[in-house]
Amino acid sequence: QQKVQQSPESLSVPEGGMASLNCTSSDRNFQYFWWYRQHSGEGPKALMSIFSDGDKKEGRFTAHLNKASLHVSLHIRDSQPSDSALYFCAASGSTNTGKLTFGDGTVLTVKP
Amino acid sequence: EAAVTQSPRSKVAVTGGKVTLSCHQTNNHDYMYWYRQDTGHGLRLIHYSYVADSTEKGDIPDGYKASRPSQENFSLILELASLSQTAVYFCASSDRQSNERLFFGHGTKLSVL
Repeated sequence: QQKVQQSPESLSVPEGGMASLNCTSSDRNFQYFWWYRQHSGEGPKALMSIFSDGDKKEGRFTAHLNKASLHVSLHIRDSQPSDSALYFCAASGSTNTGKLTFGDGTVLTVKP
Repeated sequence: EAAVTQSPRSKVAVTGGKVTLSCHQTNNHDYMYWYRQDTGHGLRLIHYSYVADSTEKGDIPDGYKASRPSQENFSLILELASLSQTAVYFCASSDRQSNERLFFGHGTKLSVL
């Protein structure tokens, strides 16, 4: 079983809309989460991390973590066509090893 | 923004041949990694290194070797390339203080025929 599972596989939202992406870990050792974004033909880029229960907001992006259920979500408000990309959730059991376990990703399409 | 440069950007190799993928970072980062991405899937860790002249096995090391001759350079070596190693390979770096924020290169698309 994959240790980090993402849903949905793909998502389409209108420009200006809200996009919501989900991620769950099946490994209770994974307590630390990252969201990465990958545009076509490029390497992934880190969006934000979340290590504590609750919400973390950075600009139009809000991450929410529930450690009890090992569920993390990413919400993108006022979505823009430039947000169209592959979004990865990544998890780790520590914050200083760089050894991340990635989910398979969610393809987000923002339609003008 | 951290800079990680990979070469080549793409490569076609023959089955059984030797392939070397190179990575160079100019950010004075201690940690470097090699990940593999298969179509429709996430990234999986192959090898990583915390210091020059030392490498560690990641989650899928079989069929791969790594070399870290200096802090800036990290290579991935496929001694006997196989069809199943066709994928996009990403190098990444991070520093001890970055809380696992990885800086990735643009990737190398490897096709083994």
